[in-house]
Amino acid sequence: AQKITQTQPGMFVQEKEAVTLDCTYDTSDPSYGLFWYKQPSSGEMIFLIYQGSYDQQNATEGRYSLNFQKARKSANLVISASQLGDSAMYFCAMREGRGTGRRALTFGSGTRLQVQP
Amino acid sequence: GAVVSQHPSRVICKSGTSVKIECRSLDFQATTMFWYRQFPKKSLMLMATSNEGSKATYEQGVEKDKFLINHASLTLSTLTVTSAHPEDSSFYICSVQGGGVETQYFGPGTRLLVL
Repeated sequence: AQKITQTQPGMFVQEKEAVTLDCTYDTSDPSYGLFWYKQPSSGEMIFLIYQGSYDQQNATEGRYSLNFQKARKSANLVISASQLGDSAMYFCAMREGRGTGRRALTFGSGTRLQVQP
Repeated sequence: GAVVSQHPSRVICKSGTSVKIECRSLDFQATTMFWYRQFPKKSLMLMATSNEGSKATYEQGVEKDKFLINHASLTLSTLTVTSAHPEDSSFYICSVQGGGVETQYFGPGTRLLVL
């Protein structure tokens, strides 16, 4: 079974509008972390936002916010006031397990966002 | 500034040759580094976990004799693609987990093209 599911291969949004990128996850571990990364055409992975499974509040970082619905196992990324520079590939990822153990991330298939002027 | 560097950023080689990719942790010591591979328009897939001073742990389906990993110091891990073939052409990217569970830093990646 897929651990991270991103159902939107591509999304369009008008400049200055908000957009929500969907992400659902599957884990039986009570302790996990959820990440969102932006990958422009250059290939670099740009960290956007993190949500821990025990965090009580939804994470926010500037124009990025994470709509964390634990019972539904969803962690949607909301980008407010879209800019042309937001056009990129966006990946949702998860790390399972507690503490500082070094564990890799599992990635979703990604969503390509295109911001239109 | 960059936390993780990779070298080279791009490499073109002939089929049958070996290519070494370096991943350096610039800001902190990393006992563990991760190597991912990304095919065009696809997601990142974990290839292996590189452990300082010990053998790497490879994911299922990844040939350890083809993708040699050496993690000889706390700041450097290398991935060597041996006897590269065109199907090995891909984007290889390494990552390091920082001090906090919320951090995972990625290198800028290496684009490998095997002719």
